[in-house]
Amino acid sequence: GQSLEQPSEVTAVEGAIVQINCTYQTSGFYGLSWYQQHDGGAPTFLSYNALDGLEETGRFSSFLSRSDSYGYLLLQELQMKDSASYFCAVRGYNQGGKLIFGQGTELSVKP
Amino acid sequence: DGGITQSPKYLFRKEGQNVTLSCEQNLNHDAMYWYRQDPGQGLRLIYYSQIVNDFQKGDIAEGYSVSREKKESFPLTVTSAQKNPTAFYLCASSGADTQYFGPGTRLTVL
Repeated sequence: GQSLEQPSEVTAVEGAIVQINCTYQTSGFYGLSWYQQHDGGAPTFLSYNALDGLEETGRFSSFLSRSDSYGYLLLQELQMKDSASYFCAVRGYNQGGKLIFGQGTELSVKP
Repeated sequence: DGGITQSPKYLFRKEGQNVTLSCEQNLNHDAMYWYRQDPGQGLRLIYYSQIVNDFQKGDIAEGYSVSREKKESFPLTVTSAQKNPTAFYLCASSGADTQYFGPGTRLTVL
């Protein structure tokens, strides 16, 4: 089967940098995605890594290492509005297009 | 504007009643998905459809049914057989590796 593990909660202060890790067990996948979900809202796409390495999109970066079965989302210059849940997800080979989501990490940004 | 719409935003139903949640997309995506989310939890896949007139069960399909008669529409019926239907229901569509979500329907069983 396939599973993704993330920390359940992370707390950081405004202006800081935080890293949310995602480790996975899967036989093969196309890429690692990250989604953000504010309380009561819908998940929104943040970032996608098809290849190993770092992808940067403004204050957010995402990293993938297939050899280490590991990825992370890096949030810089944290703002209060970044308080949300963050999910990693993969689309496995022979999975019919569906994504497998981690359980999510709740990020709390303190003043 | 391209996107996914779900209606209604809030839905109340009595035990023993079936209810249908609407999901429409104008992104011209072939694939559509239904997820259930319980408080403080992740997303669990109920059903998905990769093409019109075809759909597959996800991880928690029992007590739910779907149809995919049009590319734009993927309604979900929560039947009376679903033992604990109170939850937040999210519809999504995708063209490749990115999924786009609707605003969700919060279902409460009274």
